[in-house]
Amino acid sequence: GAVVSQHPSRVICKSGTSVKIECRSLDFQATTMFWYRQFPKQSLMLMATSNEGSKATYEQGVEKDKFLINHASLTLSTLTVTSAHPEDSSFYICSARKTGVSGTNEKLFFGSGTQLSVL
Amino acid sequence: EDQVTQSPEALRLQEGESSSLNCSYTVSGLRGLFWYRQDPGKGPEFLFTLYSAGEEKEKERLKATLTKKESFLHITAPKPEDSATYLCAVQSYNTDKLIFGTGTRLQVFP
Repeated sequence: GAVVSQHPSRVICKSGTSVKIECRSLDFQATTMFWYRQFPKQSLMLMATSNEGSKATYEQGVEKDKFLINHASLTLSTLTVTSAHPEDSSFYICSARKTGVSGTNEKLFFGSGTQLSVL
Repeated sequence: EDQVTQSPEALRLQEGESSSLNCSYTVSGLRGLFWYRQDPGKGPEFLFTLYSAGEEKEKERLKATLTKKESFLHITAPKPEDSATYLCAVQSYNTDKLIFGTGTRLQVFP
């Protein structure tokens, strides 16, 4: 199956610092990537949709100036948590959409997630 | 508003004890219903996509079915390695977004 690589898997940072998370589609091109946030024992909450070459679309309640998303190529999207605070501590997961040759059979593949802990 | 409800929240099974997980949904025009498996501290792993009522898909001990209102994930003779959280998500024709349920935490003990 398709592989989506996410780094780092775990990061601990001090309050006020910025953290960058990378999401790469290793064996396919992804025009669209998604960023999710997950709290313990809760479901995935979509934060934003990242489209290659254009601005990300943020979900209601997600601060675009705090969670900066860049999708500079067809295989890489980054999420930067700026001026992180303890309440930003969470599990962040990216996903990339792979579409079949005929435009159907769409699948969404996920990265392995990043556990962010802000002290 | 698109919505996904999964039940039960948690399920404990003995090895070999078959069961089913439920995913009820409301969506304005179903584009696809997805099942994922998630292990602790990991991202979701794709299992199935179902597109229309009556469709069924199988993979090893898992079988997913779909009706107009719900989907079931049947687990036949589960093994301890099937222990994980199983997530259901729907995608509508209106948006690109996947709306996830809260998942069913499955534990299979020997």
